Amino acid sequence: TAGITQAPTSQILAAGRSMTLRCTQDMRHNAMYWYRQDLGLGLRLIHYSNTAGTTGKGEVPDGYSVSRANTDDFPLTLASAVPSQTSVYFCASSDLGQGTTGELFFGEGSRLTVL
Amino acid sequence: GQNIDQPTEMTATEGAIVQINCTYQTSGFNGLFWYQQHAGEAPTFLSYNVLDGLEEKGRFSSFLSRSKGYSYLLLKELQMKDSASYLCAVMDSNYQLIWGAGTKLIIKP
Repeated sequence: TAGITQAPTSQILAAGRSMTLRCTQDMRHNAMYWYRQDLGLGLRLIHYSNTAGTTGKGEVPDGYSVSRANTDDFPLTLASAVPSQTSVYFCASSDLGQGTTGELFFGEGSRLTVL
Repeated sequence: GQNIDQPTEMTATEGAIVQINCTYQTSGFNGLFWYQQHAGEAPTFLSYNVLDGLEEKGRFSSFLSRSKGYSYLLLKELQMKDSASYLCAVMDSNYQLIWGAGTKLIIKP
């Protein structure tokens, strides 16, 4: 099974340009997340969605937007990229609910460089 | 504020045992997770503790003390492939994960 797929795996972007990172899962998980990971820092939550049709802001939401039109897809958009958004971005999903641990399943990551 | 503390880096010898500690202060508690992350790869789930005590899974064990806000991950019979970062994360009262910065474990022959 594919699990959770992210695209692109790597991208170089000029400052001021827009970019959408794609994320698709085939596990029918209700919750999905976008994290960024920077050297020396823990994973930081950008946005999340506990169920299709709803989204919420995480710890570092500024400059990013998300949508959750269906269960499987959770794209992350940078409207106008800035160099501080250079990072590795991880999409994750989990099955939140009674009797579940909420274990996260991660995509392989998208390495974004903003110049 | 909420925070998770774990050592930045540890070194151990192949075949030995290593214990990676994690202390936390969070708004509520709904479980503690350990993830392994090899360089350039995604984190993968290792263990989950929600009750006090030790959970054993092969060469890896995880311990939790909720009263002390403390957990450790114990790795036995270390292998070179265990060289990775180990991430501690706590699920708070809002069911959001709070992550530590990770402990980079270096295994030497």
